[in-house]
Amino acid sequence: RKEVEQDPGPFNVPEGATVAFNCTYSNSASQSFFWYRQDCRKEPKLLMSVYSSGNEDGRFTAQLNRASQYISLLIRDSKLSDSATYLCVVSGNTPLVFGKGTRLSVIA
Amino acid sequence: DVKVTQSSRYLVKRTGEKVFLECVQDMDHENMFWYRQDPGLGLRLIYFSYDVKMKEKGDIPEGYSVSREKKERFSLILESASTNQTSMYLCASSFLVRQGPGYTFGSGTRLTVV
Repeated sequence: RKEVEQDPGPFNVPEGATVAFNCTYSNSASQSFFWYRQDCRKEPKLLMSVYSSGNEDGRFTAQLNRASQYISLLIRDSKLSDSATYLCVVSGNTPLVFGKGTRLSVIA
Repeated sequence: DVKVTQSSRYLVKRTGEKVFLECVQDMDHENMFWYRQDPGLGLRLIYFSYDVKMKEKGDIPEGYSVSREKKERFSLILESASTNQTSMYLCASSFLVRQGPGYTFGSGTRLTVV
């Protein structure tokens, strides 16, 4: 079983749409959770950490469900500039483990 | 802002050459990492280091070695480059591995072995 699994997409959505990504992880001892964003041919950059109580940053909302071992990212009012690959990342007692990413294309 | 600098953005090397990829960070981070990223395979950890002269194998260390003589510098070495090592190589650093704000990545080195 892969440690971190994501739907690779692509998700093609119109501007203004709401889109949600889910990610599942296999290591129940995982303690830290993140979403990273990676633009084409660029390095990954931290988008937001994911806390047990859920957290919001502008149009982005992240949720963690420890019982079911999944993490979600919700993007509201999608912008063209949100087009990127979104990487789900978890950490337990080892270095960060990255999912393969979900590709999002926001279309005008 | 934390800065992680990789010495080359693009590199072309011949099969069998010894290749050095350099990474320098300027925020006094203890931990440094080397990943490679390939289409469909995502980011895979090659080696990491918790401290000067310390190194740990990641998931795919075969064909690679590392050196960390100074805290700010972490080098990845391909002893004898092969075509299957053509990839994007990403260096990262952080204060804490197990928890904290995650990693900061360098801009990557796209290595082509011909």
